[in-house]
Amino acid sequence: DSGVTQTPKHLITATGQRVTLRCSPRSGDLSVYWYQQSLDQGLQFLIHYYNGEERAKGNILERFSAQQFPDLHSELNLSSLELGDSALYFCASSVWDTSSPLHFGNGTRLTVT
Amino acid sequence: GDSVTQMEGPVTLSEEAFLTINCTYTATGYPSLFWYVQYPGEGLQLLLKATKADDKGSNKGFEATYRKETTSFHLEKGSVQVSDSAVYFCALSSNNNDMRFGAGTRLTVKP
Repeated sequence: DSGVTQTPKHLITATGQRVTLRCSPRSGDLSVYWYQQSLDQGLQFLIHYYNGEERAKGNILERFSAQQFPDLHSELNLSSLELGDSALYFCASSVWDTSSPLHFGNGTRLTVT
Repeated sequence: GDSVTQMEGPVTLSEEAFLTINCTYTATGYPSLFWYVQYPGEGLQLLLKATKADDKGSNKGFEATYRKETTSFHLEKGSVQVSDSAVYFCALSSNNNDMRFGAGTRLTVKP
């Protein structure tokens, strides 16, 4: 058990809808990272938050947004969903930044129909 | 931008065979390099890391050496077991704020 909790585990929704994925980091970890894992594009880095502040942005679409709250949990919001957004979304946390090991949750599987 | 290229799988080996999974990288500066492993139904776990040239990371019988001259970080294990069946990801981080992963290599070890 990595200590990182992601909810929900599965999500099925229709095109055009909006969903929110939630991540609780390991106790004591200040950084949260979001990744998208799809069959054709592998593991894509989306965004990194440290103690509530955005630190780095990767290949995150404008339809996607994220935030980290004062209690350090994070939410990834996906809007105007398209079929191609179907993927496994992982959250990871680390104590400081990527110089410390990333601990991954088990992911949220999103299916857009 | 920074990127990682690793050998395409899947790789299928018999138990006790020697394993090599190739990984090369492109980066500005001096990145830290990592191997992560993903078992079925789980998130990724750190397997080993190296933070500077010529460093060797090792864990659970797996090893990888940071080769700056060839920009490589190949994963090796002398004798694989069925329990090593998983997907292996090579990754790098140049700035401590984001970590870039390769596409992953699926390893299946048969008894």
